[in-house]
Amino acid sequence: GAGVSQTPSNKVTEKGKYVELRCDPISGHTALYWYRQSLGQGPEFLIYFQGTGAADDSGLPNDRFFAVRPEGSVSTLKIQRTERGDSAVYLCASSPAQSYNEQFFGPGTRLTVL
Amino acid sequence: AQKITQTQPGMFVQEKEAVTLDCTYDTSDPSYGLFWYKQPSSGEMIFLIYQGSYDQQNATEGRYSLNFQKARKSANLVISASQLGDSAMYFCAMREGGGNEKLTFGTGTRLTIIP
Repeated sequence: GAGVSQTPSNKVTEKGKYVELRCDPISGHTALYWYRQSLGQGPEFLIYFQGTGAADDSGLPNDRFFAVRPEGSVSTLKIQRTERGDSAVYLCASSPAQSYNEQFFGPGTRLTVL
Repeated sequence: AQKITQTQPGMFVQEKEAVTLDCTYDTSDPSYGLFWYKQPSSGEMIFLIYQGSYDQQNATEGRYSLNFQKARKSANLVISASQLGDSAMYFCAMREGGGNEKLTFGTGTRLTIIP
């Protein structure tokens, strides 16, 4: 079956612009996570959805970052007024409700803010 | 304090030898899970193995095993009979709590297998 997909795979934008990153989780997975991975670091948690609601958004760095999952499937991470420090790989993962043992990751979106 | 510590930034191992990647963790939650992920140069995170805090036996998955020492708060990954395809970044991660909570990752170890 299809894994987690993320679009676009690469995004280059200018400082101050708005960007949207999309994640399509594995069908039927109720939990969805966003992480950010900077060069040479491990992924850092941003936000976690259980169904349509954000169960934990404690990792969002500031109010320029926002994420939605309106129908409990696809999620969009939105970044306003991008800054050069936002440049990173944004990873999405999903997990089925009945299993706490694995998060399935997508290939990531590489965001470059010039 | 760091929740996940991986003290080996890089390791070089001869092909077919076994290798141990170190991971220590810090939590006061009695229920937690420990994970290892592999990240090749392509960038995708590949799940390798999981150990629950209440599991009595060390987890094994093919050539991967997890040396879980609860009192020492360590969860080292052992790869037996290493192969060239094992060259990658390896991340240890922890989930605190018994549900679908977030993962906290370490800084990773870059493993290079030498032919």
